Amino acid sequence: TQLLEQSPQFLSIQEGENLTVYCNSSSVFSSLQWYRQEPGEGPVLLVTVVTGGEVKKLKRLTFQFGDARKDSSLHITAAQPGDTGLYLCAGIEETSGSRLTFGEGTQLTVNP
Amino acid sequence: DTEVTQTPKHLVMGMTNKKSLKCEQHMGHRAMYWYKQKAKKPPELMFVYSYEKLSINESVPSRFSPECPNSSLLNLHLHALQPEDSALYLCASSQDRGPALPLHFGNGTRLTVT
Repeated sequence: TQLLEQSPQFLSIQEGENLTVYCNSSSVFSSLQWYRQEPGEGPVLLVTVVTGGEVKKLKRLTFQFGDARKDSSLHITAAQPGDTGLYLCAGIEETSGSRLTFGEGTQLTVNP
Repeated sequence: DTEVTQTPKHLVMGMTNKKSLKCEQHMGHRAMYWYKQKAKKPPELMFVYSYEKLSINESVPSRFSPECPNSSLLNLHLHALQPEDSALYLCASSQDRGPALPLHFGNGTRLTVT
């Protein structure tokens, strides 16, 4: 069983549409991070959330950490082709010390 | 450009070859990591070095041998690999191993084992 369940696994949308990616767990996390990875490159950190209920915005991207620190979401408004990539959530489970666990990823394709 | 530099970018090797992957960072980070990533899958942790000492080995086969010569360098020595070891090998670093510290990834070495 995957510690962090990410959904959807694949998402193909048209430019200008909105979308939400979910990252869920039954475990509590000390912190949760979102990364984006483009082909031929390593993952790049988008945001870190540490407080339950926290909301962070990065231009058209909105990140939310659940009140109970068991889940997170990434919402993209008016998606653009440049948003295409593999989106990965990754978290430090509260009881694991500092071990970072990745979700399975969401492959997003934004068509022009 | 990433601040974690990995060489080579691509590597093709036979199953009897010995090769090494290299990783370098000059951000003063004290934790360095090796990850293996298959296509469209998340990175899988292989090794963690903290203050130049191996702190985590995720039961990786001995044909993969990590080395941390100093705080800026991380190597992964490869010997007698199998075709299923073909993958993108990512190096990452973090300031320390604290729970909220982000990972800084290199762009990886694309390894093909023939």
